[in-house]
Amino acid sequence: QVQLVQSGSELKKPGASVKISCKASGYTFTRYTMNWVRQAPGQGLEWMGWINTGTGNPTYAQGFTGRFVFSLDSSVSTAYLQISSLEAADTAVYSCARGVYGDYVIDYWGQGTPVTVSS
Amino acid sequence: SYELTQPPSVSVSPGQTARITCSGDALPKKYAYWYQQKSGQAPVLVISDDSKRPSGIPERFSGSSSGTMATLTISGALVEDEADYYCYSTDSSGNHRVFGGGTKLTVL
Repeated sequence: QVQLVQSGSELKKPGASVKISCKASGYTFTRYTMNWVRQAPGQGLEWMGWINTGTGNPTYAQGFTGRFVFSLDSSVSTAYLQISSLEAADTAVYSCARGVYGDYVIDYWGQGTPVTVSS
Repeated sequence: SYELTQPPSVSVSPGQTARITCSGDALPKKYAYWYQQKSGQAPVLVISDDSKRPSGIPERFSGSSSGTMATLTISGALVEDEADYYCYSTDSSGNHRVFGGGTKLTVL
């Protein structure tokens, strides 16, 4: 069965960086895209962008350029989200979610990684 | 930037039909998808391609789309259907994907 297992919760100080992992299993990693979605406390889902798991080429949504970086290690079927220069406003749950090439549907989700930014 | 608009909340009694709408300018040409998110859990896809029900989703969930509005219908809503529901689609270029603001469904 398809599983996306993310790394655990993070507590960071403002200005620090964080790197979240998302390990995929139950399917061929490079045959599907990987999306990233943010959900701030008490707020809705926000699509951050996606990464082509074949080429490693990322696409970032508006508002997620500069400090946000998507990357891969296909040898271990893992996608990563790195956020630098963390701000309190980055406090949220970050989720990876599998997508389909040639389409924009998201069909499976990771469990989410809570990131708290606080001094 | 492209936006999808949902009502913040919908409330029905058990057994009634709940309808949640999602409006967006590109919906006449782009599919809508619907996700259910229960408290503390990851979202689950309940409707794909405007109206297709993925395997394992109960028949009481259905979807439709007409013009600039997509609708998720839960026929005979159960207390267990209480959740936040999000529509998801893309703009006309296909490059800018977006979630609606979410609708909190209360069944009581």
